[in-house]
Amino acid sequence: QQQVKQSPQSLIVQKGGISIINCAYENTAFDYFPWYQQFPGKGPALLIAIRPDVSEKKEGRFTISFNKSAKQFSLHIMDSQPGDSATYFCAASNAGGTSYGKLTFGQGTILTVHP
Amino acid sequence: EAQVTQNPRYLITVTGKKLTVTCSQNMNHEYMSWYRQDPGLGLRQIYYSMNVEVTDKGDVPEGYKVSRKEKRNFPLILESPSPNQTSLYFCASSLSWGKGYTFGSGTRLTVV
Repeated sequence: QQQVKQSPQSLIVQKGGISIINCAYENTAFDYFPWYQQFPGKGPALLIAIRPDVSEKKEGRFTISFNKSAKQFSLHIMDSQPGDSATYFCAASNAGGTSYGKLTFGQGTILTVHP
Repeated sequence: EAQVTQNPRYLITVTGKKLTVTCSQNMNHEYMSWYRQDPGLGLRQIYYSMNVEVTDKGDVPEGYKVSRKEKRNFPLILESPSPNQTSLYFCASSLSWGKGYTFGSGTRLTVV
């Protein structure tokens, strides 16, 4: 049972373009939605995160858009650069009960930015 | 340097031979967790721990054990490894809920 579904599996973008990765979740108790970036041979690193009380969060070229009613959230990378080429994971968790540490990830998106 | 250290980085073992992958963090984090990463499946949580002596199952706990006797250490134990446990394993820690996890560099395990 995949509680967080991520698409697309892979994405190719030209330098300077916009990269968009989408995620959908099922559990309405989720209340924390982070995105992680992973380079080859490395562990994932926290990129940006959002709580459901806001619809958008921007940090530099990275923006999360959140649609609570549709149970969807997305990552937008503006002015994509070759250095952004990596695997991106969305994730979700909730603080209810004893589940403080439980973080569910999507399947990942391999982003390639061509120069 | 603040980090999560896991060892070994690479391990090849045979079916049924007990092994332990160690994980240590130097950030005084409350939460620690183990994940496995498989192509097309993303990262799946094996076990997590909210504090010393407090652990809970993630999404794929079968065949794994953990312990949290000290705040900084969270070893992953495979009592009787099988080939379907061949995977890339990550340990991670977090100061608190909503702060995001810091991941280690990974352990690539092959069970033959």
